[in-house]
Amino acid sequence: DSGVTQTPKHLITATGQRVTLRCSPRSGDLSVYWYQQSLDQGLQFLIQYYNGEERAKGNILERFSAQQFPDLHSELNLSSLELGDSALYFCASSIRLAGNEQFFGPGTRLTVL
Amino acid sequence: GQQLNQSPQSMFIQEGEDVSMNCTSSSIFNTWLWYKQDPGEGPVLLIALYKAGELTSNGRLTAQFGITRKDSFLNISASIPSDVGIYFCAGPDPVNDYKLSFGAGTTVTVRA
Repeated sequence: DSGVTQTPKHLITATGQRVTLRCSPRSGDLSVYWYQQSLDQGLQFLIQYYNGEERAKGNILERFSAQQFPDLHSELNLSSLELGDSALYFCASSIRLAGNEQFFGPGTRLTVL
Repeated sequence: GQQLNQSPQSMFIQEGEDVSMNCTSSSIFNTWLWYKQDPGEGPVLLIALYKAGELTSNGRLTAQFGITRKDSFLNISASIPSDVGIYFCAGPDPVNDYKLSFGAGTTVTVRA
């Protein structure tokens, strides 16, 4: 158990809908990262927050957004969902600002029908 | 895009065998991380390396930070069935070290 929690574990929705994925980092970690893992794409970095502020962005679509709250938990919002958004979404946390030794949550499997 | 190249892409091994895999980059990395991912689960950090030439073990796993700082190796000794999974190398992106770059992974399947 990495100490990072994610909810829900599974999510099934329809195209055009909007969903919110939630992540709680390890106790004491200030950085939260979001990744997308598709079958043919590997682990793709989406976005990072550190102590409530956005710090780095990867190839995150404009339909996707995230935030980190004062209690350090984070939410990833996915809107106008398309079939191709079906994937595993992972949250990771680390104590530092820079991206090393990240600890991953169990992931949310999103299926868009 | 990804800057880390892992090989082999997949391997079938006999239980009890030793296994080696590696990761190379065209850029210098200051940190190398090795993760293992079981099906449907999140990646688990196995070993972290911070210094060129460093050799670090975690049980039956041994990883090395290459002296050129452009490669790293992971060895698994005496494979057992629970070694099945995907092994990823990763390191802070040379351009933006806030994020990790991941290799595409090496899939390990153990024949009992």
